[in-house]
Amino acid sequence: SQQGEEDPQALSIQEGENATMNCSYKTSINNLQWYRQNSGRGLVHLILIRSNEREKHSGRLRVTLDTSKKSSSLLITASRAADTASYFCATVDYNQGGKLIFGQGTELSVKP
Amino acid sequence: EAGVAQSPRYKIIEKRQSVAFWCNPISGHATLYWYQQILGQGPKLLIQFQNNGVVDDSQLPKDRFSAERLKGVDSTLKIQPAKLEDSAVYLCASSLEYGSSYEQYFGPGTRLTVT
Repeated sequence: SQQGEEDPQALSIQEGENATMNCSYKTSINNLQWYRQNSGRGLVHLILIRSNEREKHSGRLRVTLDTSKKSSSLLITASRAADTASYFCATVDYNQGGKLIFGQGTELSVKP
Repeated sequence: EAGVAQSPRYKIIEKRQSVAFWCNPISGHATLYWYQQILGQGPKLLIQFQNNGVVDDSQLPKDRFSAERLKGVDSTLKIQPAKLEDSAVYLCASSLEYGSSYEQYFGPGTRLTVT
């Protein structure tokens, strides 16, 4: 079953703008991960944030986590055409065996 | 370092036929996963192996799907017989060990179309 709901489902921006994607989930989690999927390619792990962390950075990526609201956001700053992809959040709940449960994804299009 | 290899990349079959997918994980990775990704959705875990043992197959439709990892290295996923709703991308992933803190590395996937 799908755990997360992502918002928006699709996002179109110009190169250089920031892109923000949101993920909401239903159950308690141990960590939350973000993945990118380019057309025709597999998933690539971007960043992991643990349940006791509130914010994490990696290059142009910034992830926040609010466990009280059961939500996370992924911010991509200064977007590039190469950032065009689908972005998925995935939650991990050790009560469910520690497996990844993915959301439905946000399709990001960055126009040059 | 070579990534996760999968074959074939594309497969078209008729309903009620059988199909098999192959995955070779990253060398030294003990944990192997098979996911099903239906168009417009996120991947759903079908089965997870730790070496050659099954850790989780709770979402595998066992009446038609089977998977094995006999020598704890490469793995095959089989569907017999296929249904229209099995049309999806089947992703294989591997990680160094079992546990959510270990990053999963995904292969390019096999796109299955059942007509």
